[in-house]
Amino acid sequence: ELKVEQNPLFLSMQEGKNYTIYCNYSTTSDRLYWYRQDPGKSLESLFVLLSNGAVKQEGRLMASLDTKARLSTLHITAAVHDLSATYFCAVDTPNSGYALNFGKGTSLLVTP
Amino acid sequence: DSGVTQTPKHLITATGQRVTLRCSPRSGDLSVYWYQQSLDQGLQFLIQYYNGEERAKGNILERFSAQQFPDLHSELNLSSLELGDSALYFCASTRAGANVLTFGAGSRLTVL
Repeated sequence: ELKVEQNPLFLSMQEGKNYTIYCNYSTTSDRLYWYRQDPGKSLESLFVLLSNGAVKQEGRLMASLDTKARLSTLHITAAVHDLSATYFCAVDTPNSGYALNFGKGTSLLVTP
Repeated sequence: DSGVTQTPKHLITATGQRVTLRCSPRSGDLSVYWYQQSLDQGLQFLIQYYNGEERAKGNILERFSAQQFPDLHSELNLSSLELGDSALYFCASTRAGANVLTFGAGSRLTVL
């Protein structure tokens, strides 16, 4: 069974600080997705990482993928309050119509 | 607006009842995925349709069923509802060959 594990599940950080969210998965996959969800809202795609060593950056967020280690990271630089949200990583499953298999999410709270 | 339309946004019903959730995918998207999000189970993949045909099944209960119509909209039918079925139900769509799911705003189901 495919497992996608994120840690930490809860993260409270001060504005201006840096932190990393980790995503481990149990299958051989070259594709890893990061989504953001605001409370009570839908999921918004942040990054798609399509190969080993892929790195993508958008603003204060940077995602990377190491397929050999089956690990992706989401690095937050100089956090601001607007980044408060839940962040999900997901891996697709070719034998299930490429449905995304999500981790439990990391709930991030950025405080002044 | 993601382009994926879900109705209704909120639904309150009683145990034992049956409800239908509706999803219209983004224009041009042939694939529709249904997900259930609850606090204890997280985001669970239920079922996928591609161009009118069932493509993959996830953790969908036998009391639940879905279909995709010729105009590509999809419906998720939930019957013999139980308290534990209370959740946010998301529909997502994607184009053939792409794996980035675009999610709708969700339908929040409350079973009393």
